[in-house]
Amino acid sequence: GAGVSQSPRYKVAKRGQDVALRCDPISGHVSLFWYQQALGQGPEFLTYFQNEAQLDKSGLPSDRFFAERPEGSVSTLKIQRTQQEDSAVYLCASSLDVSSYNEQFFGPGTRLTVL
Amino acid sequence: AQSVTQLGSHVSVSEGALVLLRCNYSSSVPPYLFWYVQYPNQGLQLLLKYTSAATLVKGINGFEAEFKKSETSFHLTKPSAHMSDAAEYFCAVSDRAAGNKLTFGGGTRVLVKP
Repeated sequence: GAGVSQSPRYKVAKRGQDVALRCDPISGHVSLFWYQQALGQGPEFLTYFQNEAQLDKSGLPSDRFFAERPEGSVSTLKIQRTQQEDSAVYLCASSLDVSSYNEQFFGPGTRLTVL
Repeated sequence: AQSVTQLGSHVSVSEGALVLLRCNYSSSVPPYLFWYVQYPNQGLQLLLKYTSAATLVKGINGFEAEFKKSETSFHLTKPSAHMSDAAEYFCAVSDRAAGNKLTFGGGTRVLVKP
């Protein structure tokens, strides 16, 4: 079956623009995660959904970042008034259920470049 | 708070030689530990995971890792490197107290020389 997909794969934005990044998780997966991966670093947690409920948004770096998953499947990460420090790869991952030992399946990421 | 440290941001090995990637973790509860591999312009792929069963864990592509509680380590090894092993490798710990978000190390990039 299909894996996690993300769109767009690449996004270039001018500083101050708003962007929306989409994640399509594996069908039936309950948990969905967003991570931010800066160049040369490991991914860092942004936020977590269990179905449509956003249970943890402690990793969102500022109130310019907003995520939603209104129907418990597709998720969108929105960044308002983008800044150069927002340039990174944004990874989405989904997991079958809430068990900590379950594998998270990652999408290919969206590379955001803010000029 | 949990943390993961990967010693060595870059490792160079000859084809056929042992691959050893080091990972140390800090966790207030018995951890679940993972190794992921990332090829250029791709997402992360799970190599193996430790979930409190056997301490020696075998994964895909000939990789294995050993959980050592006394050393708080989860080092990744492969007896014989192949050119296709050139990639970046990430060790991660699962936060069992807060959903199962992953905390990653900084990554180790592996270069395989012919």
